[in-house]
Amino acid sequence: RKEVEQDPGPFNVPEGATVAFNCTYSNSASQSFFWYRQDCRKEPKLLMSVYSSGNEDGRFTAQLNRASQYISLLIRDSKLSDSATYLCVATGYGGATNKLIFGTGTLLAVQP
Amino acid sequence: NAGVTQTPKFQVLKTGQSMTLQCAQDMNHNSMYWYRQDPGMGLRLIYYSASEGTTDKGEVPNGYNVSRLNKREFSLRLESAAPSQTSVYFCASSPARGDSPLHFGNGTRLTVT
Repeated sequence: RKEVEQDPGPFNVPEGATVAFNCTYSNSASQSFFWYRQDCRKEPKLLMSVYSSGNEDGRFTAQLNRASQYISLLIRDSKLSDSATYLCVATGYGGATNKLIFGTGTLLAVQP
Repeated sequence: NAGVTQTPKFQVLKTGQSMTLQCAQDMNHNSMYWYRQDPGMGLRLIYYSASEGTTDKGEVPNGYNVSRLNKREFSLRLESAAPSQTSVYFCASSPARGDSPLHFGNGTRLTVT
């Protein structure tokens, strides 16, 4: 089982739609969680951290469910510019457990 | 405000050739990382350096060596390139070890023929 798993998509949604991605993680000891955005042929960029109480940044809302070991990202009022791959990240196993493990990403395509 | 700078951006090698990927950050970060990204595999950690003077293996270290030259610079060396090392390589840095968000460089697209 992968340490961090995401639905690869693609999610094809019209402009203005609300879309949600889920991501599961296997390390129950994970403490830190993030969502990154990666545009085609570019580097990943931090979108937002994910806090236990949930957090919002404009049209983006992130939630953490420790009991079920998943995090989610909700995007409201989708824009064409939201089209990208969204990477879920959690701290993982290893000799030094505080390493970040990346999911393979979920592709979002927002259609006009 | 450069952030994390990687060179080169593109490279083509023949099997058996060697090369060094350079990475420098100007954010005074303690930790630096090398990842590779392959289709369907996501980002996988090759090596990391929690602080100046230390380096540790990540998930896929075989075939690579690293040097943390100083606080700013962290290089990745391929001693004898293989086609399986064809990938996109990203250097990243963070203020502290592990749990902090990462700042990535622009990436190096490496093809080994």
